[in-house]
Amino acid sequence: SSELTQAPTVSVALGQTVTITCQGDSLKNYYANWYQQRPGQAPVLVIYDKNNRPSGIPDRFSGSGSGNTASLTITGAQAGDEADYYCNSRDSSGIQVIFGEGTKLTVL
Amino acid sequence: QVQLQESGPGLVRPSETLSLTCTVSGGSIGSYYWTWIRQPPGKGLEWIGYVYYSGSTNYNPSLKSRVTMSVDTSKNHFSLKLTSVTAVDTAIYYCARGLVGASRTVYHDHWGQGTLITVSS
Repeated sequence: SSELTQAPTVSVALGQTVTITCQGDSLKNYYANWYQQRPGQAPVLVIYDKNNRPSGIPDRFSGSGSGNTASLTITGAQAGDEADYYCNSRDSSGIQVIFGEGTKLTVL
Repeated sequence: QVQLQESGPGLVRPSETLSLTCTVSGGSIGSYYWTWIRQPPGKGLEWIGYVYYSGSTNYNPSLKSRVTMSVDTSKNHFSLKLTSVTAVDTAIYYCARGLVGASRTVYHDHWGQGTLITVSS
């Protein structure tokens, strides 16, 4: 089982704002990164180091974090944002890389 | 534009060794953490491990006894070997480029398209 916990599913109405969270003790010491995985495709990095966007990622995607929780917020959700979202960080020992279980985002 | 491409057999027999290579194009293999990640059908991502360009490695403890990773800077590729495979090793295997962030977390900014490996007799 993962040391990073995510809700299995989240839904949002088209054009609204949604926040996906990731919880884990290691997040008190390590930043989270976020990936978007559309069906049949490889994951894409959307946020790194808690709140940084790679080039090419729309500013509708933002990240934040406090304590043992990291968050990914999508403002003005679009149909194309429907995907699985994974957080990743270090484990509590700081040795291995871990991924959250993933959250399936549905845009209604 | 950096691109990664996995190559290897799509089918591996139980108890045999899975061997994959990831070829990096459009960029240097230096100063990055070259990573293998897998995803069983319909499930989440599992980090297998990484090999630094210098050759040092870090593996998932749950797979460590069966995993070997290596890098060949002259050929701009890195490799994964997973021994004694069983059906639970059936997954899409991705290679990815890793960078260390501000808090020493490794994030992956470029991924291969993934290759489905099926373990079956």
